[in-house]
Amino acid sequence: DQQVKQNSPSLSVQEGRISILNCDYTNSMFDYFLWYKKYPAEGPTFLISISSIKDKNEDGRFTVFLNKSAKHLSLHIVPSQPGDSAVYFCAASQGGSEKLVFGKGTKLTVNP
Amino acid sequence: DTAVSQTPKYLVTQMGNDKSIKCEQNLGHDTMYWYKQDSKKFLKIMFSYNNKELIINETVPNRFSPKSPDKAHLNLHINSLELGDSAVYFCASSRTSGYFGELFFGEGSRLTVL
Repeated sequence: DQQVKQNSPSLSVQEGRISILNCDYTNSMFDYFLWYKKYPAEGPTFLISISSIKDKNEDGRFTVFLNKSAKHLSLHIVPSQPGDSAVYFCAASQGGSEKLVFGKGTKLTVNP
Repeated sequence: DTAVSQTPKYLVTQMGNDKSIKCEQNLGHDTMYWYKQDSKKFLKIMFSYNNKELIINETVPNRFSPKSPDKAHLNLHINSLELGDSAVYFCASSRTSGYFGELFFGEGSRLTVL
């Protein structure tokens, strides 16, 4: 039972353009969402997060949008850079729990 | 100076053996975790410890036994290894408050059971 779904296993984008990574969730009790980035042979690193009381959070080139009614969030990267090429994991938690539920990840390739 | 370090990074062993993976964090965090990334690429929590106390224990076979000698260390011991235990095991840590959800992961330990 996948509570957090990333339906696109991969995404390819040209340098300078926008990358949009999508994530859907099924548990309406989730109230905190995060994106992690992972390079090969490294552990995931925290990128950006959003609480369910917000619908947008921005940090430099990265913006996360949350649509609670659709149970959908997305990560926008603009402009995309080759160094952004990595696997991006969406994660969610509920009620202050330290337990994060992760999606399967989307592999982003940014072509020069 | 690695914040969360795991050893070994690679481990190849036979079915039925017992093995351990060690984890240390130098971030001063109170909470440490073990996550498993299986062949389907899902990252799933196995255990979490807060100040040496077990907080989260997912439905993990009791062949897996975590041990936290102090809040900077969380080791994972696996008895009677099975083929399905092959995966990448990630250790992580976090502050208990103020940085909710932001985990700092180690590089992972790839376990292959033959």
